[in-house]
Amino acid sequence: DAGITQSPRHKVTETGTPVTLRCHQTENHRYMYWYRQDPGHGLRLIHYSYGVKDTDKGEVSDGYSVSRSKTEDFLLTLESATSSQTSVYFCAISESWTDYTEAFFGQGTRLTVV
Amino acid sequence: EDKVVQSPLSLVVHEGDTVTLNCSYEVTNFRSLLWYKQEKKAPTFLFMLTSSGIEKKSGRLSSILDKKELFSILNITATQTGDSAIYLCAVAGSGAGSYQLTFGKGTKLSVIP
Repeated sequence: DAGITQSPRHKVTETGTPVTLRCHQTENHRYMYWYRQDPGHGLRLIHYSYGVKDTDKGEVSDGYSVSRSKTEDFLLTLESATSSQTSVYFCAISESWTDYTEAFFGQGTRLTVV
Repeated sequence: EDKVVQSPLSLVVHEGDTVTLNCSYEVTNFRSLLWYKQEKKAPTFLFMLTSSGIEKKSGRLSSILDKKELFSILNITATQTGDSAIYLCAVAGSGAGSYQLTFGKGTKLSVIP
């Protein structure tokens, strides 16, 4: 299994509080992604990174920010959590953007905003 | 905007049946198409199809890519209860300098004994 660790694995937080999710990889892969998964919507891209300090928005980026200060860590921050951000969050990594774009997933973080 | 559409959204079959899952896509600067299996946790990789590899097979699972018609199918023969899962199709594209992996909504397969 690819070395990807997400933390925390479960979190319950109150509306309006800031929340940070962490994705840590030991594979030295260049590309890292944050997805959310909701019933009826599948996996939707929030933000991704193509290198240290290089990030871009995905399909559902509103209300989220990211940072990548080291190759191995990609942080997702909800500045002020809302109930609509209750979801399962997955981090993924991939090595390159040539023809080989296989992505490996972390185990997910279940976030509940009450 | 890249788009991936999977059909059917759900499917119930009996053990031993053969199933075909469909994935159609629209993507800028196609790189590859990937199939994943998701049980209760993280998606696990099944196949990657590219311009240079349009057909893949692993045991009872096989997949083909039609780049002209912009679709892929995933076949599972002699299904088993352990095949019950959500099957996800994703497309990697690099339009407008981005590096996105876009997923479909998935097909939920239930195999009953």
